[in-house]
Amino acid sequence: DTAVSQTPKYLVTQMGNDKSIKCEQNLGHDTMYWYKQDSKKFLKIMFSYNNKELIINETVPNRFSPKSPDKAHLNLHINSLELGDSAVYFCASSPAKNTEAFFGQGTRLTVV
Amino acid sequence: KQEVTQIPAALSVPEGENLVLNCSFTDSAIYNLQWFRQDPGKGLTSLLLIQSSQREQTSGRLNASLDKSSGRSTLYIAASQPGDSATYLCALISGGYNKLIFGAGTRLAVHP
Repeated sequence: DTAVSQTPKYLVTQMGNDKSIKCEQNLGHDTMYWYKQDSKKFLKIMFSYNNKELIINETVPNRFSPKSPDKAHLNLHINSLELGDSAVYFCASSPAKNTEAFFGQGTRLTVV
Repeated sequence: KQEVTQIPAALSVPEGENLVLNCSFTDSAIYNLQWFRQDPGKGLTSLLLIQSSQREQTSGRLNASLDKSSGRSTLYIAASQPGDSATYLCALISGGYNKLIFGAGTRLAVHP
């Protein structure tokens, strides 16, 4: 299926751990994103990449580090996890900058 | 700073009703506006995309309009069905910043 896919779907981990979330899109899109949906269900941009280059870093703590090995992948690595990092993280992609976005199913991260 | 507001926050209607979901924004300089649907515990499904030069888009029972001058978009759902129950999110790109700015959503329940 053509889609934006994220793994894992659920992630439960202890404070202080380091974890990664992977995202892949097979839509041939140039632009990829990470969004965070907090406990109040509000969605906010974290990072935006275009052709593997970072173009938006929306005041996200340095503990969050995106990595785009190629146009089809945008992974999110989080160091020293904190309770406040608990949220649903969504990966998305667009054909180009400022075009229609397609979202993955989300990764529910719970930090205990 | 662009802000997106969705009214109402929640809506409960009997099956078969036609309904309107509202989205307002503070800055009329937008690239495009996108309506999404989110089912509980799921990702976002793109419903309609309206480019800044367009006034409306239609897909099946859904019709979305855009009035930039008044800072408003509406999503019209005709002949609502229980399967339409979900949270509907309005999001837009403004200023060419390559990020979606989301409203808080309207939680819709359609009961038989």
